[in-house]
Amino acid sequence: NAGVTQTPKFRILKIGQSMTLQCAQDMNHNYMYWYRQDPGMGLKLIYYSVGAGITDKGEVPNGYNVSRSTTEDFPLRLELAAPSQTSVYFCASSYGGVGGAGGNQPQHFGDGTRLSIL
Amino acid sequence: DQQVKQNSPSLSVQEGRISILNCDYTNSMFDYFLWYKKYPAEGPTFLISISSIKDKNEDGRFTVFLNKSAKHLSLHIVPSQPGDSAVYFCAASATQGAQKLVFGQGTRLTINP
Repeated sequence: NAGVTQTPKFRILKIGQSMTLQCAQDMNHNYMYWYRQDPGMGLKLIYYSVGAGITDKGEVPNGYNVSRSTTEDFPLRLELAAPSQTSVYFCASSYGGVGGAGGNQPQHFGDGTRLSIL
Repeated sequence: DQQVKQNSPSLSVQEGRISILNCDYTNSMFDYFLWYKKYPAEGPTFLISISSIKDKNEDGRFTVFLNKSAKHLSLHIVPSQPGDSAVYFCAASATQGAQKLVFGQGTRLTINP
């Protein structure tokens, strides 16, 4: 059982380049999330999705875009890479949200993509 | 504005003793709290959670305590084992619907033999 799979694991970009971080889950989870973790800090939510075709901004969305065309995939796009986007990016998924039927189920995380922008 | 704070960047505990990790929060709307454990080069792994309607939740060696009036929660690990050495993150959520988790900075726990 793969869980949440993120590719690539590492990437170095030049300022101004663009790239897509891939995230796929095989648990049939409705909810998916993107976080970034800067050194010595906690994870910060970038974008999230409550189902295919529905996305919304998190705490730090500037400079990023997402799409959710299928339940399984939730790619994160950087259009114009900046040094401030150097970070480790984590994708996560959960069966439910907060409360309600199927709610309060924990998020499952991928192993991250380490991105350096030089 | 740090809504979730873990004020101890690191903690060292002897094997077999109790490890106590602390977390404070400022947003009174938070109603769901979780602890995650993270090893190097891996993603966070869920450990234990607690809803605001409870003040204690136990799972094997792990117990989470919630003090709503003090806006404080703690994770107790007993007995501590070498495999518990990791970074522990406290997280909280206030949103109905999606779990928009707010994370603390993490505490690096080292269990010494």
